[in-house]
Amino acid sequence: DTGVSQNPRHKITKRGQNVTFRCDPISEHNRLYWYRQTLGQGPEFLTYFQNEAQLEKSRLLSDRFSAERPKGSFSTLEIQRTEQGDSAMYLCASSLDRAQYFGPGTRLTVT
Amino acid sequence: DAKTTQPPSMDCAEGRAANLPCNHSTISGNEYVYWYRQIHSQGPQYIIHGLKNNETNEMASLIITEDRKSSTLILPHATLRDTAVYYCIVRSNFGNEKLTFGTGTRLTIIP
Repeated sequence: DTGVSQNPRHKITKRGQNVTFRCDPISEHNRLYWYRQTLGQGPEFLTYFQNEAQLEKSRLLSDRFSAERPKGSFSTLEIQRTEQGDSAMYLCASSLDRAQYFGPGTRLTVT
Repeated sequence: DAKTTQPPSMDCAEGRAANLPCNHSTISGNEYVYWYRQIHSQGPQYIIHGLKNNETNEMASLIITEDRKSSTLILPHATLRDTAVYYCIVRSNFGNEKLTFGTGTRLTIIP
């Protein structure tokens, strides 16, 4: 199965620590998206890349968050100085045309 | 993007057709209707999308009313594995890449 993969699947960290998540999109998909989902809510858009260019960022993406897609392939999402409110599922999706295909997500717990 | 309205929950007997409604009365001419589902603790899964014609694939059928103000997702022979939250999303294909999820419909398949 060559779907979207995300690592790690689970991350527990202490408040104030930095964390980095990785997303590997479906091969040849030029668009990559990050979403965040909290319990009981639908996913919320964070940011979007077309190839290596970051074209849109949500207001949810505070200055503690940074995302990169250095060679237009995999992407990383870093959260600096984590807060308890950052606890959520972080989802990555990729697309070539209209449909977005999601990975399994990384569940972050900040203690 | 236009707002969608879905019932919060529905039940369907295993083996029967599950019909999930969605209202999108403010949809504009260039906006597509997308359906995704999310099984517990997994990433959302793309199901189907359409503009104005009815669509069918191996997973489901999408029926869009002639005025495009509502649609119905049909799972023809529901199984227990179809238990999930189903999201109806309206999205333009021009310059707006993100998906805006609501709270969806929690579909429970009853054995």
